[in-house]
Amino acid sequence: DAKTTQPPSMDCAEGRAANLPCNHSTISGNEYVYWYRQIHSQGPQYIIHGLKNNETNEMASLIITEDRKSSTLILPHATLRDTAVYYCIVRPYPIYNQGGKLIFGQGTELSVKP
Amino acid sequence: EPEVTQTPSHQVTQMGQEVILRCVPISNHLYFYWYRQILGQKVEFLVSFYNNEISEKSEIFDDQFSVERPDGSNFTLKIRSTKLEDSAMYFCASSPRDRGRVEAFFGQGTRLTVV
Repeated sequence: DAKTTQPPSMDCAEGRAANLPCNHSTISGNEYVYWYRQIHSQGPQYIIHGLKNNETNEMASLIITEDRKSSTLILPHATLRDTAVYYCIVRPYPIYNQGGKLIFGQGTELSVKP
Repeated sequence: EPEVTQTPSHQVTQMGQEVILRCVPISNHLYFYWYRQILGQKVEFLVSFYNNEISEKSEIFDDQFSVERPDGSNFTLKIRSTKLEDSAMYFCASSPRDRGRVEAFFGQGTRLTVV
């Protein structure tokens, strides 16, 4: 699986957009970009994933560059509850009978401040 | 909203004892996983399980670990003879594996303390 690079920590003001970058310059054509977060040692929580198009759901938006070598997770209006470690994970779409393990890195520790 | 449930939330055991960590995955999911997180470290993949057999396992998942889906709802992780270094949070996860939906949903974890 392709390696990802994320800044170790970021701050964001409450109510502002949080933009979390991820570099995955060695991504291959069949690999998706997934984002999860972990709030204070709780179980990781799925946020969003994408292949090459930008994606949006009720939690966040995912912007993937045209060359797919980097992406940005956007939390449009960060709240204090969004304080967490955010993980960018790259992996192939799992083939039949393989669920698709997730390889977690250190992630970005996002602190949302009042 | 359906969720993965894990019991107990915290287990303390003596070194050398067997422990069983229990999980109830989301009911229509097909893939099941165990991960662990040693305090202050990364979340690590242990094993994935599909169609009543292990589909993939990591180097951590050695002979002292086993998994089982004893009935249609539970998914268990057994550690046969616990060591101090097995102390960690253990997370169960499941995923639907429907077309286009492969995201994993995690439980809140069991904190295992080996003394």
